[in-house]
This record gives sequence, C-alpha cells and structure tokens, in this order.
Amino acid sequence: DTGVSQDPRHKITKRGQNVTFRCDPISEHNRLYWYRQTLGQGPEFLTYFQNEAQLEKSRLLSDRFSAERPKGSFSTLEIQRTEQGDSAMYLCASSLVVPGYNEQFFGPGTRLTVL
Amino acid sequence: AQSVSQHNHHVILSEAASLELGCNYSYGGTVNLFWYVQYPGQHLQLLLKYFSGDPLVKGIKGFEAEFIKSKFSFNLRKPSVQWSDTAEYFCAVNAGTGRRALTFGSGTRLQVQP
Repeated sequence: DTGVSQDPRHKITKRGQNVTFRCDPISEHNRLYWYRQTLGQGPEFLTYFQNEAQLEKSRLLSDRFSAERPKGSFSTLEIQRTEQGDSAMYLCASSLVVPGYNEQFFGPGTRLTVL
Repeated sequence: AQSVSQHNHHVILSEAASLELGCNYSYGGTVNLFWYVQYPGQHLQLLLKYFSGDPLVKGIKGFEAEFIKSKFSFNLRKPSVQWSDTAEYFCAVNAGTGRRALTFGSGTRLQVQP
C-alpha cells in the first residue's frame, strides 16, 4: 500500500498521560499536514510541514501539542498531559509541492480516547 | 477567516434519485475547492477538485460539482445515486494565497436506501 499510513489506529489513554502518533506520508510527497476531527464535524487544521520545516500552526495547537518531522519524511504528533477534550480522530495528509496545486491525500487516522 | 457551510447535515434518498449537496464558502479571493468522501470505516478520499478553468468539474463515480463564483458555492451533484454512495461528504476550501491548510465543512451524511 503506497498511501498515507498512521500508527497506531486507536489509542486509549488516561487523562494526564502523554501520547505520540506517527504518520508516514506518500513517499514522494514533501508536504505533510495534521488535522483533528471530532464527532459530527469536518477535519480541523492543526499544522503542516514542508520537508522538515513546520510552516504553519493553528491556534488549536495548544502548547501541549508538538509536531515534528525531523528528516522530512515521517512525522510525529505528541500530546502532553492529555485532557478529555483531546479525544478525537487525528488525521494526517500529504501532498506534492506543485504551484497552484494542493491535493491532499489522507491517512486512516488515529482515534484517541482520553478517559 | 475562511469558512465553509454545508447546510444539509443528513440526507436520505432512494436508489436512482438525484443528489445535490450544498456547499458555500466565505472567502473573496482565489480559492481551490474540493469534495471529499468518507465511506463507512474508510479514510477520506478525494471525489473531485476545482483549481481553475471550467467551473463544472467531474469527479469519480459519476459525481460532478459546479463552481459558481458569484454565489460562493460549489455544490455536488449526481444524477442517480446508488446504495454504495452511502457515506459522509465533506466540502473543503483552500484559499489560494499561499496558505496550504484546507478548511472543511461539517459534512453531510448521505444514506441511500435500496
């Protein structure tokens, strides 16, 4: 499968614990995005990378959230001191850098449940 | 800030009925427009996209959408739905100013009855 992959697919944690999610984009894609989706809503943008540089962060990304893409390939999203409000589906997407073209391909997501 | 409105939250149709899902966005500049679909248990997939040119765009599985700039709309249509079209449909906008994030609507759940 050459699509976007995410790991784990499901994570259950207790409030206050730290969690880390991984995203592997489509191999030739150099843009990588993180979104969050809660029940009954569309995905909401969190942050994106071009290669290893984090170029934009949403105000939704509180200081408990940090994302990295150290070698411009896979990315991790860490949530520290999780809260029940962090329960959501975390989606990763990737795209090519082509002027005026921004088709994003999504992974299956990581569903986080904070107890 | 840009926003996307999908006014139909839940639509129920019988097979062979025609479909039109509304999408309106708020942004006055150049936009890229998308419709994504999420089938039960699957991830988001792109149905169709509009970047420029012909405002009537055709996507996969017989879907099409029309960009009407004066109405800030990008409605999704299909002349005859099938049971397999049961899914959630999301409209998304990317403002063509260098910002790369997609802004999604809240989605429309389509249920097609056999």
